[in-house]
Amino acid sequence: GNSVTQMEGPVTLSEEAFLTINCTYTATGYPSLFWYVQYPGEGLQLLLKATKADDKGSNKGFEATYRKETTSFHLEKGSVQVSDSAVYFCALKGSNYKLTFGKGTLLTVNP
Amino acid sequence: DTGVSQDPRHKITKRGQNVTFRCDPISEHNRLYWYRQTLGQGPEFLTYFQNEAQLEKSRLLSDRFSAERPKGSFSTLEIQRTEQGDSAMYLCASSFGGGDEQYFGPGTRLTVT
Repeated sequence: GNSVTQMEGPVTLSEEAFLTINCTYTATGYPSLFWYVQYPGEGLQLLLKATKADDKGSNKGFEATYRKETTSFHLEKGSVQVSDSAVYFCALKGSNYKLTFGKGTLLTVNP
Repeated sequence: DTGVSQDPRHKITKRGQNVTFRCDPISEHNRLYWYRQTLGQGPEFLTYFQNEAQLEKSRLLSDRFSAERPKGSFSTLEIQRTEQGDSAMYLCASSFGGGDEQYFGPGTRLTVT
């Protein structure tokens, strides 16, 4: 079946530091890949997505590239802000519409 | 804002009681999903509807769980004879057609004492 493995947290960074959260997946066929973010006390929000190999999703300074050869979709941001503190989830959607999530990575950015 | 809404946001119940949660999707969305999220884990798929038809159920959804979407609009998730292991955040999401993007509600946090 489908599965997602993402970097264990928590991750603590200083403001303006570079962020990478690793995500790898196992899936049959050609899944779509997503990063969702969950801010404290709020629901899941879609951050970015990529639907085919070599696609790059981007939003709010975050980027991730769909790498089929390494089955990866690592999340990056060049300069994090305190407001980026949240839990980040990598997810995939196969042909059956349901999302399969990783366990989440807690990011804390200190001023 | 006409996003996905869920009610109640929090529910505390005693073991053995029945509970029912409601989800109102984005109005033009014909697909509706339920997920469960326990502490420190990502959401896990429970079931999904296309219009009023329930098309897939996870094996996580025991016989004590039932979900409905009677008119293809809002959905309810009922848990009968609750157990402490049912304590979790129950998330609802919706999407339009075959679109990739699922939009999530704020969730209902269930605590079974």
